[in-house]
Amino acid sequence: DQQVKQNSPSLSVQEGRISILNCDYTNSMFDYFLWYKKYPAEGPTFLISISSIKDKNEDGRFTVFLNKSAKHLSLHIVPSQPGDSAVYFCAASLGVTGGGNKLTFGTGTQLKVEL
Amino acid sequence: ETGVTQSPTHLIKTRGQQVTLRCSSQSGHNTVSWYQQALGQGPQFIFQYYREEENGRGNFPPRFSGLQFPNYSSELNVNALELDDSALYLCASTRRDAVEGYTFGSGTRLTVV
Repeated sequence: DQQVKQNSPSLSVQEGRISILNCDYTNSMFDYFLWYKKYPAEGPTFLISISSIKDKNEDGRFTVFLNKSAKHLSLHIVPSQPGDSAVYFCAASLGVTGGGNKLTFGTGTQLKVEL
Repeated sequence: ETGVTQSPTHLIKTRGQQVTLRCSSQSGHNTVSWYQQALGQGPQFIFQYYREEENGRGNFPPRFSGLQFPNYSSELNVNALELDDSALYLCASTRRDAVEGYTFGSGTRLTVV
């Protein structure tokens, strides 16, 4: 039972344009969501998170949007840079704080930012 | 501040053998979790340790076991290895009351032949 889904295994975007990565979840009890970036041969790196009491969170070029009614979240990267090329994982947890709670991950989206 | 370090980086074992993977948590972190990432999949939660006790477990059989030590480092033990245990094993640490995400290590690539 895949509770967190990333339906696009890959995405290709031109440098400077917007990258939009999508994630859907089925468990309405999830109330904290995170995005991780993963380069080959490295562990996932925390990027940005959002609590269910918010619908938007920004950190520099990265913005996460949460639509609770649709059980959908998205990560926007503007402008996209070649260094952003990586696998992006969406993750969800029960509990407002991410620490101390297990994370349920999606299968990831490979983002490629082309020159 | 040092991050999460895992050893070894790569390991090849034979079916039926036992393996121990090690993890040193990031300084100041007291909670350690282990995840299994199969090829083409997202990481799957195995279990979590806090104050040297298991504090949550995913859908993994009892032959997956672990330990956390007083210095918050941790071990993952897998007995009676099966071919399907071949995966990247990730260790992640955090502070119990943290709002930021876990810090992950680079993982141990286990191949069972």
